[in-house]
Amino acid sequence: KNQVEQSPQSLIILEGKNCTLQCNYTVSPFSNLRWYKQDTGRGPVSLTIMTFSENTKSNGRYTATLDADTKQSSLHITASQLSDSASYICVVTNTGFQKLVFGTGTRLLVSP
Amino acid sequence: NAGVTQTPKFQVLKTGQSMTLQCAQDMNHEYMSWYRQDPGMGLRLIHYSVGAGITDQGEVPNGYNVSRSTTEDFPLRLLSAAPSQTSVYFCASSYLDREYYGYTFGSGTRLTVV
Repeated sequence: KNQVEQSPQSLIILEGKNCTLQCNYTVSPFSNLRWYKQDTGRGPVSLTIMTFSENTKSNGRYTATLDADTKQSSLHITASQLSDSASYICVVTNTGFQKLVFGTGTRLLVSP
Repeated sequence: NAGVTQTPKFQVLKTGQSMTLQCAQDMNHEYMSWYRQDPGMGLRLIHYSVGAGITDQGEVPNGYNVSRSTTEDFPLRLLSAAPSQTSVYFCASSYLDREYYGYTFGSGTRLTVV
């Protein structure tokens, strides 16, 4: 069964600290892996997209890694800010057309 | 550039009522889709459209209807609302960006069925 599992479910960190969110998937065949940020009351916004051949991609203070062999990804947030408080969703795409498999997200709270 | 616009933002319905959730995009994207987001679950695909006049079912289509008469609009109709349809609904439009499709999501409609 195609699944995406994220950990932890929720996380509280102090402003300025770093954190890493995890994503494991069983989606096959694999096309790409995406990380989205979803602020409360808003739709998901894309942070990074990685294809099979990419093992790291950065977007400002966000760095995503992908290990396609172990089917694991991580999202590292550096020097966290209060505005980083949100849910972070890992999404894996099947090859073929438009099949997105969503994780349940990690809810991050950055505390002052 | 408004992106993807969803209306209304909030709605309360009584069981058995019908309504239409509106979705409009101004980016000329061919592909549009509807998702629902429930607590403890990832977003699930309800219906999608690959272009005007073409729609298909997603993972959880029961109780919902869609049509796509124009490229810009993709409304979602609830035929007879049930409490199980209480959820947050997201519309998305997407485009082919080199080797993958990029998605733009609307800000959602929070629906409560009582």
